[in-house]
Amino acid sequence: KQEVTQIPAALSVPEGENLVLNCSFTDSAIYNLQWFRQDPGKGLTSLLLIQSSQREQTSGRLNASLDKSSGRSTLYIAASQPGDSATYLCAVEVNTGKLIFGQGTTLQVKP
Amino acid sequence: SQTIHQWPATLVQPVGSPLSLECTVEGTSNPNLYWYRQAAGRGLQLLFYSVGIGQISSEVPQNLSASRPQDRQFILSSKKLLLSDSGFYLCAWISVEREGTDTQYFGPGTRLTVL
Repeated sequence: KQEVTQIPAALSVPEGENLVLNCSFTDSAIYNLQWFRQDPGKGLTSLLLIQSSQREQTSGRLNASLDKSSGRSTLYIAASQPGDSATYLCAVEVNTGKLIFGQGTTLQVKP
Repeated sequence: SQTIHQWPATLVQPVGSPLSLECTVEGTSNPNLYWYRQAAGRGLQLLFYSVGIGQISSEVPQNLSASRPQDRQFILSSKKLLLSDSGFYLCAWISVEREGTDTQYFGPGTRLTVL
């Protein structure tokens, strides 16, 4: 059974810091790994999708890596801003488009 | 462009009452549709998914049911709500042609509180 774990559960940093969010999964048989952002009381916004054959994806200040053999992914946020404050969710896609989610990391960036 | 709608946005219901949450997608045909629940202190859990009209797969045994009466309409229901049904319900879709290569697109969610 696929399980996804995110560490840490919560993180508070001063503005401008670079930070890393971690995600691990137990079964390497995945189609892709996805990172989402969720603002309080809102739906999910897709940030990055890494195909199982890829090692990393970048979008602006965000960089996500994938090491399928070890079951790990990291989301790197450069030069963090208060607007980055949100919950970040990692998910792996298994068959029939099903997503298995981690419990998320709640990030607070202080001005 | 594609748009996904959910309603209501917020709902407070007594234990034992029925439930109907609706999700509709615009701008695409024959999407795969998904219902997720986010309960307090727990991650997002897939409840149901549908690959076509009338085709529903359940991921976890529970007090809820789903139906897909039209191509772009997905409904989550219950005959009698339990306290444990409280949570944030999210609907999502993906183009079946892009399954495995594209992200799922999520609706704005419905916050359900059962008292």
